[in-house]
Amino acid sequence: EIVLTQSPGTLSLSPGERATLSCRASQSVSSTYLAWYQQKPGQAPRLLIYGASSRATGIPDRFSGSGSGTDFTLTISRLEPEDFAVYYCQQYGRSPRTFGQGTKVEIK
Amino acid sequence: QVQLVQSGSELQKPGASVKVSCKASGYTFTNNALNWVRQAPGQGLEWMGWIGTYTGNPTYAQGFTGRFVFSLDTSVSTAYLQISSLKAEDTAVYYCARGHGYGDLDYWGQGTLVTVSS
Repeated sequence: EIVLTQSPGTLSLSPGERATLSCRASQSVSSTYLAWYQQKPGQAPRLLIYGASSRATGIPDRFSGSGSGTDFTLTISRLEPEDFAVYYCQQYGRSPRTFGQGTKVEIK
Repeated sequence: QVQLVQSGSELQKPGASVKVSCKASGYTFTNNALNWVRQAPGQGLEWMGWIGTYTGNPTYAQGFTGRFVFSLDTSVSTAYLQISSLKAEDTAVYYCARGHGYGDLDYWGQGTLVTVSS
């Protein structure tokens, strides 16, 4: 099973700041098979990024994804109030399709 | 527009069974696989497996074999998750999610809270 480790666990930032979230895999993951999701309290997750760097439909361009191999990054260029949430990475190249444990982006 | 609408919250006793439904609309149901994801209270996301909506063939993650069954009724564009012999540790929100492209999950149901308590 591929284990995804996200860091940091919590990121405390102010609106307008840049957020950089990391997702490290225990084995190499093809960038084709890496996604990022956003989840707000009481809501279902929302797909942000697939294929490591492709934005899903309707996702603002302040969200970007990058990386390859075992190291992937989600960057939010300038945090908006609605971006404070929990973010999960997921690999879907090998079964089981595992998720990271999540990074919470909170208002400082 | 694509929608996945799940059945409502359930309160069940240990040992009972529950069946959660996920009704799809806004797209051709058999064109995309349907995944199931569990989220225990205050915890992260856990992928349970998926079912091919054209073939009806299910794939279960380890830890979700035996008591968990994925099924379909393509005539009403609905997928089902049945859990038998419920345990307290099955208490969670269960999500269905549509598979997209190579397997990312582009649309999600609103979630169904299953509470197991005596």
